[in-house]
Amino acid sequence: ETGVTQSPTHLIKTRGQQVTLRCSSQSGHNTVSWYQQALGQGPQFIFQYYREEENGRGNFPPRFSGLQFPNYSSELNVNALELDDSALYLCASSLDGTRSIEQYFGPGTRLTVT
Amino acid sequence: DQQVKQNSPSLSVQEGRISILNCDYTNSMFDYFLWYKKYPAEGPTFLISISSIKDKNEDGRFTVFLNKSAKHLSLHIVPSQPGDSAVYFCAAQPSGGSYIPTFGRGTSLIVHP
Repeated sequence: ETGVTQSPTHLIKTRGQQVTLRCSSQSGHNTVSWYQQALGQGPQFIFQYYREEENGRGNFPPRFSGLQFPNYSSELNVNALELDDSALYLCASSLDGTRSIEQYFGPGTRLTVT
Repeated sequence: DQQVKQNSPSLSVQEGRISILNCDYTNSMFDYFLWYKKYPAEGPTFLISISSIKDKNEDGRFTVFLNKSAKHLSLHIVPSQPGDSAVYFCAAQPSGGSYIPTFGRGTSLIVHP
């Protein structure tokens, strides 16, 4: 059974640039959720994708967008990067969207915006 | 305004003793609660959960207690082991609708040999 993987591990971007983060869900899981974890904070929910459709969104601006592919892998895109976007971005996979309580997290992507 | 609060940023415990991590919440709509453990450079790992219809759930050395009237839950680890040293996150979610968990800021537990 393959766990949740994320790429890249870390990256550095300049304010105003755009970034794409990638996530491969655990085998058999059809739901992917994305979280932002700022330093000293807990993970904050960005959005969830279930069977390629957005299935819930947290309090993040539209410049945070996502995609889920037919193989259930997912991308998080952030446009017009701001310094406050510097954080650890976590992806979590689960089964069957809102009916699933337990999520499996990837190791995260550390994004630094300068 | 934080809806899930972990007021102790860190906790230090001797090996073999009990570790008690606390979590408070403010939203009455929360009715499912989870604890996650996070090691450095790894994602959070699900540890144990409890539904609001229960007041206790046990899994080996880990027990979670829920006091709904006080909007308080706690995680007990007995006996504590050095491998338990990690950051522990409390999370809560409402029933129904989209699954949107709210996490606390975490408590860093250090278990000394």
